[in-house]
Amino acid sequence: KNEVEQSPQNLTAQEGEFITINCSYSVGISALHWLQQHPGGGIVSLFMLSSGKKKHGRLIATINIQEKHSSLHITASHPRDSAVYICAGPSTNTDKLIFGTGTRLQVFP
Amino acid sequence: DTGVSQDPRHKITKRGQNVTFRCDPISEHNRLYWYRQTLGQGPEFLTYFQNEAQLEKSRLLSDRFSAERPKGSFSTLEIQRTEQGDSAMYLCASSLDRVAETQYFGPGTRLLVL
Repeated sequence: KNEVEQSPQNLTAQEGEFITINCSYSVGISALHWLQQHPGGGIVSLFMLSSGKKKHGRLIATINIQEKHSSLHITASHPRDSAVYICAGPSTNTDKLIFGTGTRLQVFP
Repeated sequence: DTGVSQDPRHKITKRGQNVTFRCDPISEHNRLYWYRQTLGQGPEFLTYFQNEAQLEKSRLLSDRFSAERPKGSFSTLEIQRTEQGDSAMYLCASSLDRVAETQYFGPGTRLLVL
């Protein structure tokens, strides 16, 4: 079992739909990162959060540290949102990031 | 500053050859991380530096791998006697200080070992 698990692994949506990607982790994580990776490999950091909720444009990230769960929401999805979304957290025992395997999102017009 | 840069972006080599990758972090960032990503998987931690000190190395980093950050600025990752299993995307990231800070990723170096 991976220490950081995401669901679903693959997600397709029609433009305009509300998207939710979930991340659950079994290790003690002090904060959680949501990353976006487009085809070709470039990774962009979307959020780093340790409690509550953060919003940036159409993206919303929430985290419940006690339940060890985080969600990434995309409102009014657009084809340019198509990418792999990865959650990652630093273990409280070490300073390295532990990554989920990613959720591949495809948004069709 | 234009962000984290990596060089080269692509590298094709024959099995048994040595390769070296370079990462230039954002200038004021003290932390520098190396990750490896194989197809369809999330990145895996390899090693990280706090300034010039290498603080942690993954068990993935066999003795064929070595990383340096001699002056606390750019870093190099060398793979000796490459194997086909080394084929992957090698990612570098930097952050201001602790891992709880936002990490900024470079574009990666894609390695193919024939």
